[in-house]
Amino acid sequence: DGGITQSPKYLFRKEGQNVTLSCEQNLNHDAMYWYRQDPGQGLRLIYYSQIVNDFQKGDIAEGYSVSREKKESFPLTVTSAQKNPTAFYLCASSIVSRDTEAFFGQGTRLTVV
Amino acid sequence: GQQLNQSPQSMFIQEGEDVSMNCTSSSIFNTWLWYKQDPGEGPVLLIALYKAGELTSNGRLTAQFGITRKDSFLNISASIPSDVGIYFCAGYSGGTSYGKLTFGQGTILTVHP
Repeated sequence: DGGITQSPKYLFRKEGQNVTLSCEQNLNHDAMYWYRQDPGQGLRLIYYSQIVNDFQKGDIAEGYSVSREKKESFPLTVTSAQKNPTAFYLCASSIVSRDTEAFFGQGTRLTVV
Repeated sequence: GQQLNQSPQSMFIQEGEDVSMNCTSSSIFNTWLWYKQDPGEGPVLLIALYKAGELTSNGRLTAQFGITRKDSFLNISASIPSDVGIYFCAGYSGGTSYGKLTFGQGTILTVHP
């Protein structure tokens, strides 16, 4: 079945460690995105990529890094520079078009202790 | 950046009641999307709207793209317990920001049997 897969579902890390969240899609979508969700808040855009080997900062990119070496994959690294990394992270993908619909993965809940 | 104001923030209703929620923006959007998120899961797309004035239904859900292109409404008729969740609006302005969706803060819906 086509879809977006995020792994792992739950992730625990010690403060000061970098951690990489996986996002893979087999929808043949060109665009992929990472959002952060905190309790009681909407989704805030971290990074997005419209094409392989290119990506753009979103509204809250500080302390995060991404790569887009393959069309299917868009991993997110939460670095030690991110001051408050505990959150629910959502990956999405879409076609690049005026009329666009973004489809989401199941999310990764990161807890930094 | 762009802001979407979604209201109400939360709703507590009885099963069988109708629900209305809306989103407003200071900017014009080319696309409005409505998502539902269950706890611990990624948002699922409910309805997509592409033209100003467009009224679209999906079962008991009806959404409208405002004439000014700065607002959108979602109605749920005859609510049932499985309607519980967080509903998000999202706007997409197109142009050079392809796929850069802006999300509202969400409406938390609770349905009492």
